[in-house]
Amino acid sequence: AQRVTQPEKLLSVFKGAPVELKCNYSYSGSPELFWYVQYSRQRLQLLLRHISRESIKGFTADLNKGETSFHLKKPFAQEEDSAMYYCALREAGTYKYIFGTGTRLKVLA
Amino acid sequence: NAGVTQTPKFQVLKTGQSMTLQCAQDMNHEYMSWYRQDPGMGLRLIHYSVGAGITDQGEVPNGYNVSRSTTEDFPLRLLSAAPSQTSVYFCASSYGTGGWNEQFFGPGTRLTVL
Repeated sequence: AQRVTQPEKLLSVFKGAPVELKCNYSYSGSPELFWYVQYSRQRLQLLLRHISRESIKGFTADLNKGETSFHLKKPFAQEEDSAMYYCALREAGTYKYIFGTGTRLKVLA
Repeated sequence: NAGVTQTPKFQVLKTGQSMTLQCAQDMNHEYMSWYRQDPGMGLRLIHYSVGAGITDQGEVPNGYNVSRSTTEDFPLRLLSAAPSQTSVYFCASSYGTGGWNEQFFGPGTRLTVL
């Protein structure tokens, strides 16, 4: 079965330190992968999608098909990055999205 | 634009009661969906719709019904609430049905079933 795994429930880093939020997936086809973020008292919103190869708010994510991973990275964490981060996969050819369980990132001053 | 709106924000039900969670969007989005969010489970897809009159089941559809009579509205019905349906419910929509379209989420409805 398709699955998205985020192994860390909580990740705490100091301001200015690098951040890596892990996401692994199990899917037999070509995955469509996303990172969504939920800041405190805000709605869940799209952060980035792998096909765009974009950098949003300093975050990047590279799809590694060999390791079936889509880790989210930022070289220097900021306090405003503190939020809940969800990795999501869309089954190609369907309209079904599978979300991971989320990782709470806390950036300490 | 109001975006995606959900009502109510909070609801407490007794086991066996029925209710409808409302979801509306004013962005003329084709795709709409309902998720439930439980501690340690992430978001799980309940039902989705790719246009008016078209709905389909997601990962956890049991106990929930949906309909899509208009582009704007996508209500979620609980016919006989159970404590296992205590959760936070999110509605989302996206323009078109292409896989890369961003999903816009509502603020959520926190439901407690006693």
